Amino acid sequence: EVQLVEAGGNSVQPGGSLRLSCAASGFTLRSYWMHWVRQAPGKGLAWVSRINNDGSGTGYAESVKGRFTISRDNAQNTLHLQMNSLRAEDTAVYYCAREYSGGLYYWGQGTLVTVSS
Amino acid sequence: QSALTQPPSASGSPGQSVTISCTGTSSDVGAYNYVSWYQQHPGKVPKLMISEVSKRPSGVPDRFSGSKSGNTASLTVSGLQADDEADYYCSSYAGSNVFVFGTGTKVTVL
Repeated sequence: EVQLVEAGGNSVQPGGSLRLSCAASGFTLRSYWMHWVRQAPGKGLAWVSRINNDGSGTGYAESVKGRFTISRDNAQNTLHLQMNSLRAEDTAVYYCAREYSGGLYYWGQGTLVTVSS
Repeated sequence: QSALTQPPSASGSPGQSVTISCTGTSSDVGAYNYVSWYQQHPGKVPKLMISEVSKRPSGVPDRFSGSKSGNTASLTVSGLQADDEADYYCSSYAGSNVFVFGTGTKVTVL
């Protein structure tokens, strides 16, 4: 069974940093492109970042470019999102998701990041 | 990277059809056949309903169908059922490893 389990969400002050992780099981992570998607409380889905299967290609939403870094450890079957210079507007549930045929077929349950003073 | 435009709401009676539009630009929806649709019930994780404009993943009922014309994609839900009441989001590839989601549409089954 495919499972994605996010961890690392927490409360942090503006300007702080957090590192999210997504543990993958039930499949070989290196075979798939992976994404981070977020959803602010009561708001819609917002795409954050994508990484190709070997980590050589990445993309970011303009709102996080230069502050967030996506990475992966295929040997450990883990996806990461390093978030720096956090702002109040980064407050959201962060989901990792596995890409399938251009769509996000498998999603984790999400981890909550709260940025507040 | 502007969000794709969707109507805030749509509704229909049980058994009827509802169509949701998703308008982008010639740089995203119009440029690639990587438009996807997601269903999200309150408090739940999004579920992929359509990928590559019109492909249904295994397990998605054929009542759900997708299409695209120019810069606008559409999701049609036929034979509306109570469980179809949810938020729906479109998404498109926008080039250079960048994706964009739509603004979301709340579907109400009357």
